[in-house]
Amino acid sequence: NAGVTQTPKFQVLKTGQSMTLQCAQDMNHEYMSWYRQDPGMGLRLIHYSVGAGITDQGEVPNGYNVSRSTTEDFPLRLLPAAPSQTSVYFCASRLQGGTEAFFGQGTRLTVV
Amino acid sequence: TQLLEQSPQFLSIQEGENLTVYCNSSSVFSSLQWYRQEPGEGPVLLVTVVTGGEVKKLKRLTFQFGDARKDSSLHITAAQPGDTGLYLCAGDTTTDSWGKLQFGAGTQVVVTP
Repeated sequence: NAGVTQTPKFQVLKTGQSMTLQCAQDMNHEYMSWYRQDPGMGLRLIHYSVGAGITDQGEVPNGYNVSRSTTEDFPLRLLPAAPSQTSVYFCASRLQGGTEAFFGQGTRLTVV
Repeated sequence: TQLLEQSPQFLSIQEGENLTVYCNSSSVFSSLQWYRQEPGEGPVLLVTVVTGGEVKKLKRLTFQFGDARKDSSLHITAAQPGDTGLYLCAGDTTTDSWGKLQFGAGTQVVVTP
C-alpha cells in the first residue's frame, strides 16, 4: 500500500512565486488535512476536508488555498509564497470516526 | 496558544531510566492520541484513548487518559535508545470534528546509551 504520498519532498521558492504541494491517498479515507511543522510549534492545522467538495479552515489558513475534487487528492496552494511559509508540510488522512491519522513523509519548503 | 500543552519540551535521559510526558488542556476531548515522529518522517500512531481514566499499555509504554478527559500522560519504563523521538499528543474535541485533529507542540526525547 502506498498510503499517503506527498510531492515534492523538497522545494526552494522565491518570494512571490506560486506553488502547489501535492497529496494523494489510496485508502479511500474521507478526511484529509494539511499541517505545517515549525520548531517548538508542533503540527498546526492549515486546512482540512471531510469529503470531496468540502473544505474548511484550520488554525493557520492565511496564505494557503485548498480544493478537494476527488476523494484521493488534496492539493495545497501557496498564493504567493512568502518567507513566513518556510516550514515542513505534512498531509494526513483518516477514516470517519476518529481513527488513526496516516501521514505522508512531508515536504520541506524554503521560501527565499 | 495551543489547545494541547505538552511538557516538558525536551527530555534527555540515560538508557534504563524512566520518563513521563504530559499533555494537558482546558478542553474536553472525545478521544486523544499519542504519536511518535522520527527525523524526516511523518508521525506514526502509538495509541488512542477514548474513555476517562483509561490506561493502555504497549510493551514498556503506559498511556493514561485523565478522568475528565482533559489530560493524558505517557510513561516509558526502562527507556532504550530506540525510544528516541518526538512524542506528540493529538485530540478530537467533538465527534463532529474528526477532520480537525489538533496537536500539541511535542516533547523531544533523547535516550543515550
